[in-house]
Amino acid sequence: QVQLVESGGGVVQPGRSLRLSCAASGFTFSNYGMHWVRQAPGKGLEWVALISFHGANKFYADSVKGRFTISRDNSKNTLYLQMNSLRAEDTAVYYCARDRTPGGSYLKDSWGQGTLVTVSS
Amino acid sequence: DIQMTQSPSTLSPSVGDRVTITCRASQSVGNWLAWYQQKPGKAPKLLIYKASSLESGVPSRFSGGGSGTEFTLTISSLQPDDFATYYCQQYKTYSTFGQGTKVEIK
Repeated sequence: QVQLVESGGGVVQPGRSLRLSCAASGFTFSNYGMHWVRQAPGKGLEWVALISFHGANKFYADSVKGRFTISRDNSKNTLYLQMNSLRAEDTAVYYCARDRTPGGSYLKDSWGQGTLVTVSS
Repeated sequence: DIQMTQSPSTLSPSVGDRVTITCRASQSVGNWLAWYQQKPGKAPKLLIYKASSLESGVPSRFSGGGSGTEFTLTISSLQPDDFATYYCQQYKTYSTFGQGTKVEIK
């Protein structure tokens, strides 16, 4: 079955960087668009970024544009999120999620369990 | 940006009750509307897509309706496993979630 396992979260100081990873299994990773979605403690869900199946097309929420970069390595079945210039408001559980389509329809049909990022001095 | 507003924010029904949650969009999203269920400490789970299509494996007591700017999620007979938070999400233009509706035990 579809399995998505995030890693790389932790405590980081404001202004620093962190890279998250999401290891995929149970499906043909290279056939699907992939997302990052975050959830601040006690809050709702916020879409962060989408990458198409081949990695050529990338889209970002305004709140992270210019600071975060989504990428993928289809040979390793792994999705990444490079987060630079981190702010306190980036503190959240970060989920990776599979899109229903290769190009990215924004419908997310499978989710990982998430990794917590805490931005604090 | 398309804003999504859910009501109510919290519900306290009893097991067996019929439950309806409403989601309103700030502009038409056609039928590009999904519903997710999230339990504490767990990832969201897709229940309904394209406003009224039931995701594979989801019990038939869940149903979705509406189009344009107003949508509903209905649980026909609430079960103990259904106590959770429910989110709507439009996917007509990028992706926006509602603020969530918590269905808690009465």
